[in-house]
Amino acid sequence: AQTVTQSQPEMSVQEAETVTLSCTYDTSENNYYLFWYKQPPSRQMILVIRQEAYKQQNATENRFSVNFQKAAKSFSLKISDSQLGDTAMYFCAFMKPNTDKLIFGTGTRLQVFP
Amino acid sequence: EAGVAQSPRYKIIEKRQSVAFWCNPISGHATLYWYQQILGQGPKLLIQFQNNGVVDDSQLPKDRFSAERLKGVDSTLKIQPAKLEDSAVYLCASSLDGNTEAFFGQGTRLTVV
Repeated sequence: AQTVTQSQPEMSVQEAETVTLSCTYDTSENNYYLFWYKQPPSRQMILVIRQEAYKQQNATENRFSVNFQKAAKSFSLKISDSQLGDTAMYFCAFMKPNTDKLIFGTGTRLQVFP
Repeated sequence: EAGVAQSPRYKIIEKRQSVAFWCNPISGHATLYWYQQILGQGPKLLIQFQNNGVVDDSQLPKDRFSAERLKGVDSTLKIQPAKLEDSAVYLCASSLDGNTEAFFGQGTRLTVV
């Protein structure tokens, strides 16, 4: 069975600085998807970034980028130029294609300070 | 494009009572998910529909939880009877075909007292 581990329950960063959130996963599959979701206090889960396992290039979305290490089964999220609006829970998630089942980690609470 | 709609946003019930949650996915999305998110944890999949058929309900406590998706559009999740440990946020999500991004609703926060 697939598992997703986020070892940092809480992180904090000063506005405009860079922060990295860690995620590791366990799977025997070769092809899969990885996601980072943001959950602000409004509770709505918002997709931040997506990575296909067959792609070697790390995904990037504006200030958000990932460091995908397939052999190490690691999928960290880097937030550059942190903004107050980035304050939220961040969840790493795994999906095996054709099962459509999203498996989430336990989350990291990120606090951005002015 | 309208998002995933859920109601109610909050619900407080006493243990042993019943409760129902409603979800309206994004138009045209075939896959619908119900997740349970207990405070301090990540969401856990309860049930997944493809159109009006159940794809995965392996983690649904079937002795008290039930869900349906009539006509492959709206879905309801019911708990009867509720227990204290059912206190959680219940999230509904939908995706176009299951291999694409899942869009989430704002969830229903259930408190069982």
